[in-house]
Amino acid sequence: KNQVEQSPQSLIILEGKNCTLQCNYTVSPFSNLRWYKQDTGRGPVSLTIMTFSENTKSNGRYTATLDADTKQSSLHITASQLSDSASYICVVSASNTDKLIFGTGTRLQVFP
Amino acid sequence: DVKVTQSSRYLVKRTGEKVFLECVQDMDHENMFWYRQDPGLGLRLIYFSYDVKMKEKGDIPEGYSVSREKKERFSLILESASTNQTSMYLCASKWRERSYEQYFGPGTRLTVT
Repeated sequence: KNQVEQSPQSLIILEGKNCTLQCNYTVSPFSNLRWYKQDTGRGPVSLTIMTFSENTKSNGRYTATLDADTKQSSLHITASQLSDSASYICVVSASNTDKLIFGTGTRLQVFP
Repeated sequence: DVKVTQSSRYLVKRTGEKVFLECVQDMDHENMFWYRQDPGLGLRLIYFSYDVKMKEKGDIPEGYSVSREKKERFSLILESASTNQTSMYLCASKWRERSYEQYFGPGTRLTVT
């Protein structure tokens, strides 16, 4: 069964600190993996996309990694800001369908 | 910039009412999607559409129907709203090619009392 699991469920950090969010997936055949950021009461917005051959992708202070062998991805946030407070959703696409497989998200709270 | 808009940000309806949620995109996307999002469950696909007048059931279509009469517009219909349909509803759209990103609307928080 295609699944995406994220950890931790929630995370609290102080402003300026770094953090790493994890995503494990069992999706086959794998096409790509995206990290979305969802602010409270808003729709998700894509941060990065990674295909099978890519193992690192950056978007400003956000850096995603992908290990296609172990089927794991991480999202590293550097020098966190209050505006980073949001849910981060890992989404995996299989190459034989238009349906996306969503993780349940990590709720990040950044405090001053 | 891609824009996906949804007709309401917040909606309160009574049990048994017929509810229409509308989604409009301005990028000529072929594919459109309706999801619901509940705490701890993530996004679940209700229905999607590949083209005008075409629709496909997603993972949780029971209690919902959809309509796509124009390419830019995709409506979600709750024929007889029930309290278990209280949720956040998200619309998304994308170009047909599978690798393209889905763009999401801002969501409609529906409460059924």
